[in-house]
Amino acid sequence: EDKVVQSPLSLVVHEGDTVTLNCSYEVTNFRSLLWYKQEKKAPTFLFMLTSSGIEKKSGRLSSILDKKELFSILNITATQTGDSAVYLCAVDHQTGGGADGLTFGKGTHLIIQP
Amino acid sequence: DAGVTQSPTHLIKTRGQQVTLRCSPKSGHDTVSWYQQALGQGPQFIFQYYEEEERQRGNFPDRFSGHQFPNYSSELNVNALLLGDSALYLCASSFWLGLASSYNEQFFGPGTRLTVL
Repeated sequence: EDKVVQSPLSLVVHEGDTVTLNCSYEVTNFRSLLWYKQEKKAPTFLFMLTSSGIEKKSGRLSSILDKKELFSILNITATQTGDSAVYLCAVDHQTGGGADGLTFGKGTHLIIQP
Repeated sequence: DAGVTQSPTHLIKTRGQQVTLRCSPKSGHDTVSWYQQALGQGPQFIFQYYEEEERQRGNFPDRFSGHQFPNYSSELNVNALLLGDSALYLCASSFWLGLASSYNEQFFGPGTRLTVL
């Protein structure tokens, strides 16, 4: 059975700290790994990773994928209160029918205290 | 350009009732996927519609059914509601680029919060 496991499930840090969120996966027909940020309702897209060892960066956020060890990390440096959210990891695995069902982890609930 | 829209935003039903949720995809998108997100959990894939047909289905019972219209909008129907169906139902749209393409980014709507009493 396909599964995505995120850790920690919750994390409380102070503004300015650096955090690392983890995601491990076991899926068939892996195509890519995605990170989303969910604040209220709609998850918003952060990164898509398809190749091992290539870091994706966007401002204070960065992510990297290890396809051999089947995991990814999301780093946030110099955290701000606006980074408080649930961070979701999802894996895209293509089925024979060509559909793009995403398998999500439970998410990491990140709280940044002022 | 409107993103993905969903209606209604909130809904309260009682056990045994039936419910219909609606989704309009982002302009230019032709594929709609539905997800169920229970409290404290990640979204779970229900099914995906493309060219008005269900293309892939997650591990959900037949009480969950859907439809896609010629304008690409979609409905999710749930029959014989159970307390456990209470969740945020998310719709995501994308543009199908073909089997050889890499991931087709899915844009999520704000969701419909369903409460079953």
